[in-house]
Parts: sequence; structure tokens; C-alpha cells
Amino acid sequence: EAQVTQNPRYLITVTGKKLTVTCSQNMNHEYMSWYRQDPGLGLRQIYYSMNVEVTDKGDVPEGYKVSRKEKRNFPLILESPSPNQTSLYFCASSTNTEAFFGQGTRLTVV
Amino acid sequence: DQQVKQNSPSLSVQEGRISILNCDYTNSMFDYFLWYKKYPAEGPTFLISISSIKDKNEDGRFTVFLNKSAKHLSLHIVPSQPGDSAVYFCAASWGTSGSRLTFGEGTQLTVNP
Repeated sequence: EAQVTQNPRYLITVTGKKLTVTCSQNMNHEYMSWYRQDPGLGLRQIYYSMNVEVTDKGDVPEGYKVSRKEKRNFPLILESPSPNQTSLYFCASSTNTEAFFGQGTRLTVV
Repeated sequence: DQQVKQNSPSLSVQEGRISILNCDYTNSMFDYFLWYKKYPAEGPTFLISISSIKDKNEDGRFTVFLNKSAKHLSLHIVPSQPGDSAVYFCAASWGTSGSRLTFGEGTQLTVNP
């Protein structure tokens, strides 16, 4: 089954404690992205990757890092999380015409 | 600067009637538009798309209309069903479409039995 898998689904952490949200896709897509969803703002792109070792900033990259060492994985790293990064995060894997989303990770930073 | 706007946070319709969800954009570079549907506790799922070379695309009960001169698109659902109740996101992109999507704020559609 074609899918995008994110882990964990839920995470509560404290300010400043580094964390990683993993994302894996089994569709052999070149493009992968991270979005955050906030009330009244829709989904905003954080980072995207057009291929292995090729990443670029999206619209709201501050406070985040990504890596793309292999095609199927695209982890999102928060080196020093802050409360304003409390949000619902979605990983996506894309063709030229469509993005497939994971089920989301609800992150709370206290 | 919200380049894709969905001005209606919510819409309520009766089962069997038409649902019309609207979306406006400001960036004239956008040439590909998509609608996604999102249920609670799930990721968005693709619904329908339209390229800027077209003004209409239809898929079953779902039709998307694009008015480039007005920078406006709409999603029509006919007939609406209770299972259509979800948040609908409009998204736009240009060039390599799938990787750089700009989303609207979303519209919560409720279809009442």
C-alpha cells in the first residue's frame, strides 16, 4: 500500500529539548515536504526536498532543520523547540501533480 | 501575505444540495490548483485538480472551476452527502507542481442529513 508514515503521532516536549519527527514514503517519489497546520493559517510549507541531498526552505523554515540522506526518508529536526512550534505537522511525498500526506504529528512544546 | 485565501471558514448545506467552496489567489504565477479534503486525525487527501490551461475539471460529484482573470476558483459538490463533511483546502503551485504547494486557510464543510 502506498503511504507516507510519520512518527510519532503525538509528542509533548519541553522547551529546548531537541527532537526529531521521522517521515518515510514507499512510493519512490523524488519530492518530499514538511508542512505545519495552524488555526486560521492553513498549511504552510516548512522545508522541501527535490531529491537526495537537495533541500530548500519553504515559507516558514525558522527553527527547523531537515535532511535527505536517502530517497525514502525526510526527517524534521527541531534543535531547540519553543512553544510557538506547537502545531500539527504533516509530511508529504509528491509527484509533479499531487502531494500525498502522512497522518500528522501533533507536537506540543511546553 | 496570504497568497491563497479561502474567505469562508465554514459552510453548512443540506444533504442532496450543492456545496460551493470558494478560493481566491493573488500570485499570477500560479498555474496549477488543487483541492484537498481533510478529516479529523488524518492527513489531507487529494480530491481534484485543474491546470491553468483549463477552466473546468470534473470528477464524479466534484467539479472545479477556474476563472483566471478573477484569480478565483471554486469547488462544486453535487449532490452533497454527509460523508463529505470535512475541512477543504485549496492549494496552488507553479512549475514543478507537487513539491511547492501554497494552501488556503481551509473551509469546514458540514453536510446535514
